[in-house]
Amino acid sequence: IAGITQAPTSQILAAGRRMTLRCTQDMRHNAMYWYRQDLGLGLRLIHYSNTAGTTGKGEVPDGYSVSRANTDDFPLTLASAVPSQTSVYFCASSPTETDTGELFFGEGSRLTVL
Amino acid sequence: GQNIDQPTEMTATEGAIVQINCTYQTSGFNGLFWYQQHAGEAPTFLSYNVLDGLEEKGRFSSFLSRSKGYSYLLLKELQMKDSASYLCAALDSNYQLIWGAGTKLIIKP
Repeated sequence: IAGITQAPTSQILAAGRRMTLRCTQDMRHNAMYWYRQDLGLGLRLIHYSNTAGTTGKGEVPDGYSVSRANTDDFPLTLASAVPSQTSVYFCASSPTETDTGELFFGEGSRLTVL
Repeated sequence: GQNIDQPTEMTATEGAIVQINCTYQTSGFNGLFWYQQHAGEAPTFLSYNVLDGLEEKGRFSSFLSRSKGYSYLLLKELQMKDSASYLCAALDSNYQLIWGAGTKLIIKP
């Protein structure tokens, strides 16, 4: 089934540990995004990539890094997790960065930092 | 600053009609999106408006007034499965999506 796959689905992590959330899409979309969703707040963009080999910072990039070595994969890394990074993380994609079609979301990764 | 406002929660009755409003303030404007998100699931696309007026898609319709910075999502013939959060998002001049916090819609029998 075409779409976006995220892993892990859920993770509990000790503060200070390093964590990588994986995201893979098979739709050949150029643009990919990482959002975090917290109760009472709208989705907030962490990092984005308009095409393979390029990345950009979103609204809340501090403490996170991304890479885009190829079209399909867009991992998000927390170098040293802190409790404020407890959240649900969604990876999304769109055909292009200006495409007015819908964003396609993965199922989310629920991260708890203790 | 950029801002999206929508009600936090609404309650409606099965079979009825409900209108969820959204107002936006963005730096430039390239369209307004509505997404549906069931609890514990990913958001899914419902509608996109860039021109003024009403777009109808089955039981769901979305309206946009660019001059007023206003949109609404209209859900007709409500079903229990429509219980979800509805997210409003505006695309700014840099093609960045600005998201509202979502409206939780509760459907009662």
